[in-house]
Amino acid sequence: AQRVTQPEKLLSVFKGAPVELKCNYSYSGSPELFWYVQYSRQRLQLLLRHISRESIKGFTADLNKGETSFHLKKPFAQEEDSAMYYCALSNTGGFKTIFGAGTRLFVKA
Amino acid sequence: SAVISQKPSRDICQRGTSLTIQCQVDSQVTMMFWYRQQPGQSLTLIATANQGSEATYESGFVIDKFPISRPNLTFSTLTVSNMSPEDSSIYLCSVVQLAEAEQFFGPGTRLTVL
Repeated sequence: AQRVTQPEKLLSVFKGAPVELKCNYSYSGSPELFWYVQYSRQRLQLLLRHISRESIKGFTADLNKGETSFHLKKPFAQEEDSAMYYCALSNTGGFKTIFGAGTRLFVKA
Repeated sequence: SAVISQKPSRDICQRGTSLTIQCQVDSQVTMMFWYRQQPGQSLTLIATANQGSEATYESGFVIDKFPISRPNLTFSTLTVSNMSPEDSSIYLCSVVQLAEAEQFFGPGTRLTVL
């Protein structure tokens, strides 16, 4: 079954602390993995995708096919990172995206 | 990037009635989708809106309950028919421009059914 699992509903860290949002997936084939972010009162937007292998707003995510994971990391969290984060996958070349349940990140001053 | 607008932004409806949600994009897009986000839950794909033909529905969603139209490359509608309180959700339109290989989301329509 195709599934995206985000085990943490809420993650609270202090400003300047490292943050890791966990994501595991189940998919037969070669999926594309994404992280989407939704800031307060804003629409859902793409944060990064595994094929880009780039850092956005200090966030990185590495696809680990052996562990079927795509954890999102940032070494030093900022207050403006507080938001809802969704891990997602789609079939390669397609966009029928499956979303995880989301993790709310709260960065405390 | 594509700019997506949805109407209405929110509505409160009585059970048994129907509501049509509109999605307008500022540029021609290849693919359009409709998602549902029930309270406290993640996004679930309802269907792919196909231009000039019937939408492709995901498991658990049927045309009689969620009729969809897409008359051109920039516009689509989703109707939530014969509503019940379980239909209370945020409904999101999403588009893809294959040239950009990126998916964009509308602001959502927050529906409450009493």
